[in-house]
Amino acid sequence: GQQLNQSPQSMFIQEGEDVSMNCTSSSIFNTWLWYKQEPGEGPVLLIALYKAGELTSNGRLTAQFGITRKDSFLNISASIPSDVGIYFCAGFRGAGNNRKLIWGLGTSLAVNP
Amino acid sequence: NAGVMQNPRHLVRRRGQEARLRCSPMKGHSHVYWYRQLPEEGLKFMVYLQKENIIDESGMPKERFSAEFPKEGPSILRIQQVVRGDSAAYFCASSPDKAGASNQPQHFGDGTRLSIL
Repeated sequence: GQQLNQSPQSMFIQEGEDVSMNCTSSSIFNTWLWYKQEPGEGPVLLIALYKAGELTSNGRLTAQFGITRKDSFLNISASIPSDVGIYFCAGFRGAGNNRKLIWGLGTSLAVNP
Repeated sequence: NAGVMQNPRHLVRRRGQEARLRCSPMKGHSHVYWYRQLPEEGLKFMVYLQKENIIDESGMPKERFSAEFPKEGPSILRIQQVVRGDSAAYFCASSPDKAGASNQPQHFGDGTRLSIL
């Protein structure tokens, strides 16, 4: 099935470092969502973006909806060990019965204390 | 707990048996989605249902898999005659009913981990 290009695939960083990950596509999206999944649990919504250019923060997390509507990034500042997990981007395309939620393959984040 | 509830959390079946996975959406949500996830992989969409209707089943295997969301009670994902390749985590998500629901985020349950012996 169709998926977003999410990068990097994995990251291993030191506690305190900033993190950046992104999703890109050749298609236009009208909503971007960022989720985090921890082992043994379901994905949890972190940030939802609804307008091109929108920049939204949630604590140490910041995400932006790209101006072209074809990309989005997620930044995590001053990482801590509990940031460990898999981060997924997802985007809505189309409308009505053709509306689809397309998922990235995830960015796996490991934080070294 | 007002979240999406899935049960059982773990399910073990022998090849050829049937597996039934249940999902109760968040209160006020009538849109339900089922996903499958293999270890170290992303989420694969299976089916989207509203109360009593299947809206999109483009991700469902053509055989052995079925889903329903009755007027009363939870949504059920049913897998008949299970095979080893059905082993995976199955996640349910729901989204709200309000206007503009088409772009409302989906909220996930903690999944059912299905193991086939």
